[in-house]
Amino acid sequence: QKEVEQNSGPLSVPEGAIASLNCTYSDRGSQSFFWYRQYSGKSPELIMFIYSNGDKEDGRFTAQLNKASQYVSLLIRDSQPSDSATYLCAVGGMNQFYFGTGTSLTVIP
Amino acid sequence: NAGVMQNPRHLVRRRGQEARLRCSPMKGHSHVYWYRQLPEEGLKFMVYLQKENIIDESGMPKERFSAEFPKEGPSILRIQQVVRGDSAAYFCASSATGFYSNQPQHFGDGTRLSIL
Repeated sequence: QKEVEQNSGPLSVPEGAIASLNCTYSDRGSQSFFWYRQYSGKSPELIMFIYSNGDKEDGRFTAQLNKASQYVSLLIRDSQPSDSATYLCAVGGMNQFYFGTGTSLTVIP
Repeated sequence: NAGVMQNPRHLVRRRGQEARLRCSPMKGHSHVYWYRQLPEEGLKFMVYLQKENIIDESGMPKERFSAEFPKEGPSILRIQQVVRGDSAAYFCASSATGFYSNQPQHFGDGTRLSIL
């Protein structure tokens, strides 16, 4: 089992819709959870982080964490074509920092 | 520019040559990480360094690869006797505190290494 798993997609949503990206992790001791956005040919860019169970909102982005289910998600409201990118989930624990392979999101105008 | 600086952005080498990739962390950051990304694949952790110390090199290939972060100057990822399979994007990230904390990592623009 991989430490961090994401559906590779591609995920396609129409402009204005809500995009939902999911991530599961295997290490119950994980303490910090991050979402990065990576445009093709570019470097990963931090967009959200969450440490506690529940929801955290920042503009059009909401991160949701459920430690009991070992699940973290990212919701993007009012999706825009500029949101089209690969979204990487990253999980930090006691021993290391793991990235998922990413979910490719396409927002269709 | 206070961000993570990597150079060169693109590096072309012939098989058997050496590749040196440089990374200067974000101002105020003393923890540096190197990752490799192959096309259509995720980021693979290679090594975690602090000044003059390698903290975790569990992701580094056992041969030909080495990394350092000297007291003065940038962190260097060195690949000796490169082979075609070394072609990838190499990203450096930095953080204010280490792996074992809650601080996020911030990435440089990467070095695209191509082996002819």
